[in-house]
Amino acid sequence: QITLKESGPTVVKPTETLTLTCTFSGFSLSTGGMGVGWIRQPPGKALEWLGNIYWDDDKRYSPSLRSRLTITKDTSRNQVVLTMTNVDPVDTATYYCAHRPPTGLFDFWGQGILVSVSS
Amino acid sequence: QAGLTQPPSVSKGLRQTATVTCIGNNNDVGNEGAAWLQQHQGHPPKLLSYRDNNRPSGISERFSASRSGNTASLTITGLQPEDEADYYCSAWDSSLSAVVFGEGTKLTVL
Repeated sequence: QITLKESGPTVVKPTETLTLTCTFSGFSLSTGGMGVGWIRQPPGKALEWLGNIYWDDDKRYSPSLRSRLTITKDTSRNQVVLTMTNVDPVDTATYYCAHRPPTGLFDFWGQGILVSVSS
Repeated sequence: QAGLTQPPSVSKGLRQTATVTCIGNNNDVGNEGAAWLQQHQGHPPKLLSYRDNNRPSGISERFSASRSGNTASLTITGLQPEDEADYYCSAWDSSLSAVVFGEGTKLTVL
């Protein structure tokens, strides 16, 4: 059974760097075709894709946020880390990580973590 | 970042059939098809279908998806109270090398 869980700070100050960790089980990121994605959802708003990391360490980022995002993986620890620099109150959202299978899009999602950006 | 176009809301009666549409372009929906997600308030999204009409294990046959050109559709038959939720379409945009989502459709079961 595939499970994912996001962890990290729930409050960050403007201009700080946000670091979130996705810890998963039930699959390996060293398996061909596998990936993990990050998606966020501001309160009351739609889903917004942030980026993916793949089994071969290839990465894809949202064009509008690329300059602020970094996604890395630790295959041995079954973890994926999202780093977002220079956060702003508009970055307040629930952040999800999700399993991306070889078939394409996200089939298993974490419960999400609500991150508030406030001074 | 370009997104997919969905109606903000759809309302249908109990046991009726609802259809949610998702309009994209040749680079996303028209290329590799769309996936559909259901999200109940306070919960993470749940995958209903992928690559147009492939249902993951455990998803009711009442949910079916289709595509015509650059427009994807999700049809829910025999509406139940538990179907009241937000529905999102998503696709891979090959020109942007990015995942795009629709703005979401709130389904109300009357």
